[in-house]
Amino acid sequence: DTGVSQNPRHKITKRGQNVTFRCDPISEHNRLYWYRQTLGQGPEFLTYFQNEAQLEKSRLLSDRFSAERPKGSFSTLEIQRTEQGDSAMYLCASSHDSRRNIAYEQYFGPGTRLTVT
Amino acid sequence: AQKVTQAQTEISVVEKEDVTLDCVYETRDTTYYLFWYKQPPSGELVFLIRRNSFDEQNEISGRYSWNFQKSTSSFNFTITASQVVDSAVYFCALSGLKNTGRRALTFGSGTRLQVQP
Repeated sequence: DTGVSQNPRHKITKRGQNVTFRCDPISEHNRLYWYRQTLGQGPEFLTYFQNEAQLEKSRLLSDRFSAERPKGSFSTLEIQRTEQGDSAMYLCASSHDSRRNIAYEQYFGPGTRLTVT
Repeated sequence: AQKVTQAQTEISVVEKEDVTLDCVYETRDTTYYLFWYKQPPSGELVFLIRRNSFDEQNEISGRYSWNFQKSTSSFNFTITASQVVDSAVYFCALSGLKNTGRRALTFGSGTRLQVQP
């Protein structure tokens, strides 16, 4: 079990550029979540996938944000035309929910810190 | 709407002191889960405990203990004989059962614990 991994760990970009982050969940986990965390705050929910289906998106996820999870494995989060307000830590988490396994806890990756200059 | 309040922004103790981190939550769900996560300086959120709303038994794990009181909507976390390695930001979180199966977490704003040697 290698845990949730995220790449890159840090990204500095200029305002207006597009960025893409990748998350690799724990291999047997069917659910994947994206959160955003700003300094001094708790993580805020952005979106979540069950297998390859994106089941819910937060109002925080503007039209400039898009997330995918092809084949129900890794996921990508893309931000188009970045703005300075997008600067934050982007966290990915995964969990395995089934009828038999009620362990709903989410396991988090180390995050991608985005700085928009 | 769900809400988690961690009124203590920062706590500083001396090693070996006991410390309690408070968490108060609001939810209209009848079934829900409560969590505590630890975020050390490295940034990765570490899962500590999950409790469901039907189980009000207190739990002890080593130096950690949790007191869940549904009557006061509180889920407090106590560290006994604190150590410098306990220094981190601790987040309380709430997750309800939704029709979509969504279990995204609503986090509090966190309590920064500093344990001085």
